[in-house]
Amino acid sequence: AQTVTQSQPEMSVQEAETVTLSCTYDTSESDYYLFWYKQPPSRQMILVIRQEAYKQQNATENRFSVNFQKAAKSFSLKISDSQLGDAAMYFCAWETSGSRLTFGEGTQLTVNP
Amino acid sequence: DAGVTQSPTHLIKTRGQQVTLRCSPKSGHDTVSWYQQALGQGPQFIFQYYEEEERQRGNFPDRFSGHQFPNYSSELNVNALLLGDSALYLCASSPGDRVATQYFGPGTRLTVL
Repeated sequence: AQTVTQSQPEMSVQEAETVTLSCTYDTSESDYYLFWYKQPPSRQMILVIRQEAYKQQNATENRFSVNFQKAAKSFSLKISDSQLGDAAMYFCAWETSGSRLTFGEGTQLTVNP
Repeated sequence: DAGVTQSPTHLIKTRGQQVTLRCSPKSGHDTVSWYQQALGQGPQFIFQYYEEEERQRGNFPDRFSGHQFPNYSSELNVNALLLGDSALYLCASSPGDRVATQYFGPGTRLTVL
């Protein structure tokens, strides 16, 4: 069974600093996608970043970047220059094409002013 | 361009009742997936609809059923409600090709008393 594990239930960071959220996954598939979603208190699930498994280059979206280690089945999210609006629950998720998303349990990020 | 919409926003039901939740996908998307998110947990996949057929199903009982209409909108029906059905129900849409990114609606918060 495919699983996604987020080992950090809670993380905190000072405003303007950098924080890294960890995620590991287990799958026998070779073609898949990995995602980080953000869920603020409104509970709207917002896509942060996506990584295709066949791409060796790590995805970046402005202040958000990932460290994708396919052999280690690791997919961490780095948030640079953290802002108060980054405070939210962050979910790592895995999916094969056209298939279901499998989510981790989430990491609650607090940004301290 | 309208994103994914869901209705109602909140509703309260009693045990044993039936409920119908509705979802309109993002423009250009023909695949709709439903997820259940209990408080403090990651979303769990219920089922996915494509071309008006249930394409995949997660580990949920037959009390959970759905439908997709020709305009790609979808309904989630839950019969014989249990207290444990209280959760946020998220709808996500995506195009039916191998571009796998799913975009989420704001969710429907169901409370069963």
